Amino acid sequence: DAGVTQSPTHLIKTRGQHVTLRCSPISGHKSVSWYQQVLGQGPQFIFQYYEKEERGRGNFPDRFSARQFPNYSSELNVNALLLGDSALYLCASSSYTGGLAKNIQYFGAGTRLSVL
Amino acid sequence: DAKTTQPTSMDCAEGRAANLPCNHSTISGNEYVYWYRQIHSQGPQYIIHGLKNNETNEMASLIITEDRKSSTLILPHATLRDTAVYYCIVRGVTGGGNKLTFGTGTQLKVEL
Repeated sequence: DAGVTQSPTHLIKTRGQHVTLRCSPISGHKSVSWYQQVLGQGPQFIFQYYEKEERGRGNFPDRFSARQFPNYSSELNVNALLLGDSALYLCASSSYTGGLAKNIQYFGAGTRLSVL
Repeated sequence: DAKTTQPTSMDCAEGRAANLPCNHSTISGNEYVYWYRQIHSQGPQYIIHGLKNNETNEMASLIITEDRKSSTLILPHATLRDTAVYYCIVRGVTGGGNKLTFGTGTQLKVEL
């Protein structure tokens, strides 16, 4: 079975531009979460979507937005890119059965975004 | 979610057991302990999780102290491919969605 797939794998943008990152969850998983990982740090939570609704949001500016489609795939959009947005963007999928803490998230390989 | 404390780095000889400690002294009764690892430039990989009993799977064992304030991840026979950053995460049932709070983790280096 395919794992979590993300596209593109690498991306180079300039300041002020907009970017869209894509994620396909594991088959049967209805929840997608997005994380940002800057060099030398652990991943930081950005959003979670479940059944096309936002279920959680991290401490990120409004330039960051996301959505989930009927097939449970997801897009992360970042507007007005800053140099500090350069990072590895990770997508994780899970079955997310309500609030059960034993829910396991499985991560994709990420999209490496460089902002010049 | 409870905060965790891990050593910054550890070394282990190949073939030996790697024991990675984690302190989570503020853990509450409904919070689970998760372990993930991240091999360079890849996405985090789920290893194991537990609530209060010791757990074992094909990758590792998780030992949680009786007071649940600390835990140890054990890789019984470490190989060079186990070189990675290991993250200990405590997560409970919160209103913040499916959020995992990563710290800076432990860089495990397995050497010949």
